[in-house]
Amino acid sequence: KNEVEQSPQNLTAQEGEFITINCSYSVGISALHWLQQHPGGGIVSLFMLSSGKKKHGRLIATINIQEKHSSLHITASHPRDSAVYICAVSRNQFYFGTGTSLTVIP
Amino acid sequence: DADVTQTPRNRITKTGKRIMLECSQTKGHDRMYWYRQDPGLGLRLIYYSFDVKDINKGEISDGYSVSRQAQAKFSLSLESAIPNQTALYFCATDSGGAGDTQYFGPGTRLTVL
Repeated sequence: KNEVEQSPQNLTAQEGEFITINCSYSVGISALHWLQQHPGGGIVSLFMLSSGKKKHGRLIATINIQEKHSSLHITASHPRDSAVYICAVSRNQFYFGTGTSLTVIP
Repeated sequence: DADVTQTPRNRITKTGKRIMLECSQTKGHDRMYWYRQDPGLGLRLIYYSFDVKDINKGEISDGYSVSRQAQAKFSLSLESAIPNQTALYFCATDSGGAGDTQYFGPGTRLTVL
């Protein structure tokens, strides 16, 4: 059983579309993290959330602690947003979702 | 300079060979981790270390060993590599503070023939 579930697994969008990636988790957490992995393989942290909502440029992350659910939104998507987006939760260690592969077509 | 470095970045080896992957970090963090990533399976924890004298097995430690040579260095060894250890390996570090983010190395792509 995975502690962290993401959906969808794969997502293709046209440039300019609004994108939502969902994450559900089943354990108590200190924080939830959204990570981005580009085709070259490197992983970078986008957001760390323990409540509410955070925004960085065209990216918005929200979390509902009661429902154990988080969403990552991308507004006005662009081909350079194409990447794998990984949801992770942390308490005494990190637990990772399997990732959502996003392709944005020009 | 990158906060977390891994060497080598790519390695092709043969079944039965001993392989060492090295990781260094400049964040000054006590905690370090080794993960492997396989398509469709996400990141899975191999070993982790919360300080120089602390080593712990993760969910998939069989076939691997580690060494924490210093606060900044954490090495992963495959004593006798096998083809199903072909994967992308990541080292990571964090401070252990509540909700702190993890900092990842660039990854090592290992192929075992």
